[in-house]
Amino acid sequence: EAQVTQNPRYLITVTGKKLTVTCSQNMNHEYMSWYRQDPGLGLRQIYYSMNVEVTDKGDVPEGYKVSRKEKRNFPLILESPSPNQTSLYFCASSPSGLAGGYQETQYFGPGTRLLVL
Amino acid sequence: KQEVTQIPAALSVPEGENLVLNCSFTDSAIYNLQWFRQDPGKGLTSLLLIQSSQREQTSGRLNASLDKSSGRSTLYIAASQPGDSATYLCAVRRSSNTGKLIFGQGTTLQVKP
Repeated sequence: EAQVTQNPRYLITVTGKKLTVTCSQNMNHEYMSWYRQDPGLGLRQIYYSMNVEVTDKGDVPEGYKVSRKEKRNFPLILESPSPNQTSLYFCASSPSGLAGGYQETQYFGPGTRLLVL
Repeated sequence: KQEVTQIPAALSVPEGENLVLNCSFTDSAIYNLQWFRQDPGKGLTSLLLIQSSQREQTSGRLNASLDKSSGRSTLYIAASQPGDSATYLCAVRRSSNTGKLIFGQGTTLQVKP
């Protein structure tokens, strides 16, 4: 089944303890992206990647790191989490970030709910 | 800076009504605009994507239009059903050189039986 998977789905952690949220897609998509969703603020883009080894900042990259060493995986790293990073996180992918048309349709993962105490 | 606004934030209609959801953006220089659906506790599902050169796209009971010059897009839902109840979000992409998307805050739709 074609899908985007995220792990873990739920995570409670404490301030300063490094964590990684994994994202994997099995559709050979070139484009991948991370978003966070907060009440009243909507969905905001953290980082995106147009292809392997190519990443760029979205609107709210502070406090996050990403890497794209292989096409299928795009982990989100919080080196020193803080309470303001408590949020619902979504990973998404699309066939190509450049081609246009249907190939830009994004497929979203189920979300990771993070609580930082 | 591009800003995307969706009004109203919430909408409740009886089953069978045709309805229109609105999305406005401040910078008309966009590459494309997408409409998504989000069910409670779930990820987003892409509904329609309109390129900047297009005026509308249709999929089943859904029709999305784009008026770049006025900075507006509408999502028309025909003959609404309770299963259409969800949050609908629009997102704008500025250019083909960037994968950056700017989302509106969404309109939460409830269709009552």
